[in-house]
Amino acid sequence: AQSVTQLGSHVSVSEGALVLLRCNYSSSVPPYLFWYVQYPNQGLQLLLKYTSAATLVKGINGFEAEFKKSETSFHLTKPSAHMSDAAEYFCAVVTGTASKLTFGTGTRLQVTL
Amino acid sequence: DAMVIQNPRYQVTQFGKPVTLSCSQTLNHNVMYWYQQKSSQAPKLLFHYYDKDFNNEADTPDNFQSRRPNTSFCFLDIRSPGLGDAAMYLCATSKFPGQGIPSTDTQYFGPGTRLTVL
Repeated sequence: AQSVTQLGSHVSVSEGALVLLRCNYSSSVPPYLFWYVQYPNQGLQLLLKYTSAATLVKGINGFEAEFKKSETSFHLTKPSAHMSDAAEYFCAVVTGTASKLTFGTGTRLQVTL
Repeated sequence: DAMVIQNPRYQVTQFGKPVTLSCSQTLNHNVMYWYQQKSSQAPKLLFHYYDKDFNNEADTPDNFQSRRPNTSFCFLDIRSPGLGDAAMYLCATSKFPGQGIPSTDTQYFGPGTRLTVL
């Protein structure tokens, strides 16, 4: 069964610093992977998704992620953090053939001055 | 703008008193999902509709039911809420190409309904 693991439930960075949020997947077939962001008391918003085209995927708000099959990873990065990036970030994988998403446990990003 | 709407945003109910949460969409998507998200946890899928075809997750309690009267609306009914059912309930929609075909289509989420059980 496909699954994702997010390392680090909390990440704190300074404003302007590199953001790196880690996601590793487990899948016996080529996975479809997503990163979503959730602001307090809001629903989830898609940042980007990997659908087996380009391995480097660019998303909204300056985020990008690189699919690395050799490392079974799909880490999310942003070169320079902004205060508005503070939120919960979820990595997810499509499971089965019913377009269902299985989410990781989430990483809360804190951005400090 | 096309969107997913959830009403109410905040719902307070009493232990054991039935409650209904509402979701509507203007995206004309054929799939609608209900997720439960407890504090500091990932969303957990309860069930989804593919058109009118209802698909329940194996571990979804019988206390949770759903109705989809038409393409645009979907309801979550909690027949006898317990304290453990207090959570954020998220509705999402997507296009789905058909059974047996993995989909990469984005799920679009509503803002959620936060349920409090007293």
